Amino acid sequence: EAEVAQSPRYKITEKSQAVAFWCDPISGHATLYWYRQILGQGPELLVQFQDESVVDDSQLPKDRFSAERLKGVDSTLKIQPAELGDSAMYLCASSVGSSYNSPLHFGNGTRLTVT
Amino acid sequence: AQSVTQLGSHVSVSEGALVLLRCNYSSSVPPYLFWYVQYPNQGLQLLLKYTTGATLVKGINGFEAEFKKSETSFHLTKPSAHMSDAAEYFCAVIHTGANSKLTFGKGITLSVRP
Repeated sequence: EAEVAQSPRYKITEKSQAVAFWCDPISGHATLYWYRQILGQGPELLVQFQDESVVDDSQLPKDRFSAERLKGVDSTLKIQPAELGDSAMYLCASSVGSSYNSPLHFGNGTRLTVT
Repeated sequence: AQSVTQLGSHVSVSEGALVLLRCNYSSSVPPYLFWYVQYPNQGLQLLLKYTTGATLVKGINGFEAEFKKSETSFHLTKPSAHMSDAAEYFCAVIHTGANSKLTFGKGITLSVRP
C-alpha cells in the first residue's frame, strides 16, 4: 500500500536555528496537510494545500513558520527561528479530496526537539 | 463549531477483556466521525469512519463503533483486547459544510495487561 513519506524521522536543533521538514504524499492525492502534535494531545492542523495552493493556514504561526508545495506534489515545512515550544511531532497527511469525504493518510511524522 | 471530547486520558484492560473508549462530539450540522490509532513514534492510521447510513460501523483489527445521535456519541469497542491493541486512540469529527476541517480529540492511551 502506498504511503506518505516524511523526513527526517527525528530532528534535534537549538533554539533560534532554522529547521525544515519534507513530505511526499501518496501519488495522485491533491490535498496535503501539515499537523502539529504536542505530546499528550491530538494533532492540530497547521496548513492545508489543495494542489499547490494554500486553502487554510489560519493556525500557522506565520512569523516563524512557512510552508510550500511548489509543484503540487511534495511539500516543505520550515521553522525559523525555532523556539523551545516548537518541540512536537510534525505529521504530514494527504487525501484524494477534501477530508469530509476522503480519509486522511498519515506519514510517520518528524519528531522535533528544540534545546 | 465542532469538537470532540474523549473523557479520561488512559484506559487499562486485561487481555481478552472488553475495550470501550468513549467519544462525544459537538457539531451544529451532520458530522462525519472517525477513529484513528497511533502506535509509538508512528503516524495515525484510520480504524473506522461513520459518514451516513448504518450507525454501527465495523473497522480494522476487530474494532467497531456506534453512532448515537441522541447521545452525541461515537464510542469505540472491541469484544476481546489483544496485547497488540496497546496504542493511543483518537476520535475526530468533521462537519459536511463548507470550509470544514478535521478536529481531533486529545486521545486516549490504551494499555493491555497480560
